[in-house]
Amino acid sequence: DFVMTQSPDSLAVSLGGRATINCKSSQSVLFSSNNKNYLAWYQQKPGQPPKLLIYWASTRESGVPDRFSGSGSGTDFTLTISSLQAEDAAVYYCQQYYSIPPYTFGQGTKLEIK
Amino acid sequence: EVQLVESGGVVVQQGGSLRLSCAASGFIFDDYTMLWVRQAPGKGLEWVSLITWDGGATYYADSVKGRFTISRDNSKNSLNLQMTSLRTEDTALYYCVKGGMEMATITWFDNWGQGTLVTVSS
Repeated sequence: DFVMTQSPDSLAVSLGGRATINCKSSQSVLFSSNNKNYLAWYQQKPGQPPKLLIYWASTRESGVPDRFSGSGSGTDFTLTISSLQAEDAAVYYCQQYYSIPPYTFGQGTKLEIK
Repeated sequence: EVQLVESGGVVVQQGGSLRLSCAASGFIFDDYTMLWVRQAPGKGLEWVSLITWDGGATYYADSVKGRFTISRDNSKNSLNLQMTSLRTEDTALYYCVKGGMEMATITWFDNWGQGTLVTVSS
């Protein structure tokens, strides 16, 4: 199974600042035939279901602010949130969909806004 | 607007059975893979099961294989999860989830329901 490891487990960033969350896969999620990384990012606020932010590692879902960006390839990925707003406080998860079953998620990163 | 509404979550005794349902609307249901994902209290996300758009293939996490059965009724836009031999570690919020790509098994998850809580007591 693919193991997804996020870092850090939690972070606190000032309002208006930039947050960087890392995700490392135990194996590459880059499919060579289409050059796509099979990785998604989700945001989960307290008491709410997860919300898709990014897929194909860097494609923003419709309606997601451009403050959210994804980057990386192969085994190492980053979610960057710039110009942090209070409403960005949440837990963020990465997920691979390259090799299923099973779909696997990272353990989550809790973002606090100072 | 996509809507996924789960039901069926209750408190059940260890070893018992339960059937979860999900009513879907706002999209062409039989074009999409559907999934169940669960989240134990205070924990992360765990994929449970998926069924392809036509019901032709199903997959399960090892933790539930042989105990849970996923099914769908495309005529009623509904998704189900039959759960048997329940264990305390099955206690979780169960989300009904829609795959992001049409007629694709390998896909991200683009819409989630609010979840239905299953509590397995010992």
